[in-house]
Amino acid sequence: DTGVSQNPRHKITKRGQNVTFRCDPISEHNRLYWYRQTLGQGPEFLTYFQNEAQLEKSRLLSDRFSAERPKGSFSTLEIQRTEQGDSAMYLCASSPLGTNYGYTFGSGTRLTVV
Amino acid sequence: KNEVEQSPQNLTAQEGEFITINCSYSVGISALHWLQQHPGGGIVSLFMLSSGKKKHGRLIATINIQEKHSSLHITASHPRDSAVYICAVKGGGADGLTFGKGTHLIIQP
Repeated sequence: DTGVSQNPRHKITKRGQNVTFRCDPISEHNRLYWYRQTLGQGPEFLTYFQNEAQLEKSRLLSDRFSAERPKGSFSTLEIQRTEQGDSAMYLCASSPLGTNYGYTFGSGTRLTVV
Repeated sequence: KNEVEQSPQNLTAQEGEFITINCSYSVGISALHWLQQHPGGGIVSLFMLSSGKKKHGRLIATINIQEKHSSLHITASHPRDSAVYICAVKGGGADGLTFGKGTHLIIQP
């Protein structure tokens, strides 16, 4: 297993366009998390899945954001009608089931909305 | 909601110096993580602590649950240690981590 993989690494899009990011977690990890990180700040929690179930969503996740994990393996994060304020690094992490296991992070997808 | 404060925000030191980065949080946690983030975004998990002290190579992490405080120490610092070090905490529930803003460390040769 090569760790958590995120694609694409970079995405530049025009305001108003839709974008979709993909995260492939470590295969035996049940939990998958999405975070957003803006310049100079720590990451902020967006949402997480346990297997295919989306168990929690942050208030940061507006109606334009949707995340799926259809088969409990990879996940997608879609942003509709992108705004300049959506420009950020989108990080994915996965962990095994259980409250005190470590996380493995992906390298992130850097989104720039122009 | 847990508040996570890190200090200092920026730290520049000379190669070989002993480095300490501090993290304080406001409410009870089940675990605290120290993470390292290099330019370009990749995050590496360094430690996960729920009590006491852990050591890995030149890195040492301690946590005081009563004082809601943790420290990350780097001994014999090296330019390759230059990175952003982030403290993150996990509550008792199954939600995600709450992160500090990070400490930007530069080790000069």
